[in-house]
Amino acid sequence: KAGVTQTPRYLIKTRGQQVTLSCSPISGHRSVSWYQQTPGQGLQFLFEYFSETQRNKGNFPGRFSGRQFSNSRSEMNVSTLELGDSALYLCASSLETADTGELFFGEGSRLTVL
Amino acid sequence: EDQVTQSPEALRLQEGESSSLNCSYTVSGLRGLFWYRQDPGKGPEFLFTLYSAGEEKEKERLKATLTKKESFLHITAPKPEDSATYLCAVRANDYKLSFGAGTTVTVRA
Repeated sequence: KAGVTQTPRYLIKTRGQQVTLSCSPISGHRSVSWYQQTPGQGLQFLFEYFSETQRNKGNFPGRFSGRQFSNSRSEMNVSTLELGDSALYLCASSLETADTGELFFGEGSRLTVL
Repeated sequence: EDQVTQSPEALRLQEGESSSLNCSYTVSGLRGLFWYRQDPGKGPEFLFTLYSAGEEKEKERLKATLTKKESFLHITAPKPEDSATYLCAVRANDYKLSFGAGTTVTVRA
């Protein structure tokens, strides 16, 4: 079956702009979570959505937001981009709330902020 | 605050040379400890879930174990295709997932 699909795979923005990233989970998966990966900080949890509701949120500023649609597809938005937002943004899906930890990750969207 | 520390940062092995990776954690109520493998340019791939001290899981040349303070990922007789970054993560009572920085394993033929 198809895996987690993230678009776009690569993008370049300038400081102050905003960006929207998209994630299509595996069919049947209702939970979607987002992570930021940088060489210095590693993988950091952004937020998790389940059935269109945000279940959990990491320690990121309000410039980072997300939403989930009725078909489980999710988007995350970063406004007023800063140089430090350059990172690989990973989306993961799972059947339920993933107590099993069995998350299925996409290949990520690599954001470069100039 | 939940903390996950992995060591060593990097590990270079000869093919067939077994070794272990360490993941130590501090968490308020452990709901699970997870191991993932990440290849360059790819998202992490799930390997194991461990829930309680004494639990062990195996998959091919990999074996994960859990104590109250740490987990080990043992790689037995590794092959070059085992080269990857191995990530450890813990889920606490608040359901947030915290990842360690990872151990990059390079296996030479």
